[in-house]
Amino acid sequence: AQSVTQLGSHVSVSEGALVLLRCNYSSSVPPYLFWYVQYPNQGLQLLLKYTSAATLVKGINGFEAEFKKSETSFHLTKPSAHMSDAAEYFCAVSATDSWGKLQFGAGTQVVVTP
Amino acid sequence: ETGVTQSPTHLIKTRGQQVTLRCSSQSGHNTVSWYQQALGQGPQFIFQYYREEENGRGNFPPRFSGLQFPNYSSELNVNALELDDSALYLCASSLEGLMNTGELFFGEGSRLTVL
Repeated sequence: AQSVTQLGSHVSVSEGALVLLRCNYSSSVPPYLFWYVQYPNQGLQLLLKYTSAATLVKGINGFEAEFKKSETSFHLTKPSAHMSDAAEYFCAVSATDSWGKLQFGAGTQVVVTP
Repeated sequence: ETGVTQSPTHLIKTRGQQVTLRCSSQSGHNTVSWYQQALGQGPQFIFQYYREEENGRGNFPPRFSGLQFPNYSSELNVNALELDDSALYLCASSLEGLMNTGELFFGEGSRLTVL
């Protein structure tokens, strides 16, 4: 079974500051890990994914995440926040033999202040 | 390339009624997954359809059922609606098989309100 814990339901960052969203996972098998973003009244858009290749994964819009097996973590970062980054972010995990069957975290709402 | 489309976008039902939600998958995709997203929560996996058969189910009762059609579009049916069924229902399509990239493509969802 897989599960995901996102630390912090709300994060406020200043424009230009570092964005750090925390995600820890639990999985009985090697996991696939994902970060999705959801803008108001929209569906989810994939930011990046880890599928057992490079542990440092680069995604869209300047985001990246690092898979750390020893810490069971997959934290999302962006060096410099932009106003357009205001959205809700979800970390998700799936088993390697369960494409499309994702277990999502509760989400982190990001607010960007001028 | 046509993305995932869902209908209706919003609907209101009363407790005990039945609802059907529809989803057209992205062109070239053969798998559809359905998720329920309650207000303030992450999406919860309902079930997945591949080649017109259910291919995995989450912790949802049998009154949640689905179909996938030969053109890979899909329906989610919910019978005997309860107040707790009020949520955003998300459809996601993907490509199973050798060309699988692991990415789900989500529609914008159908927001169901049960009164």
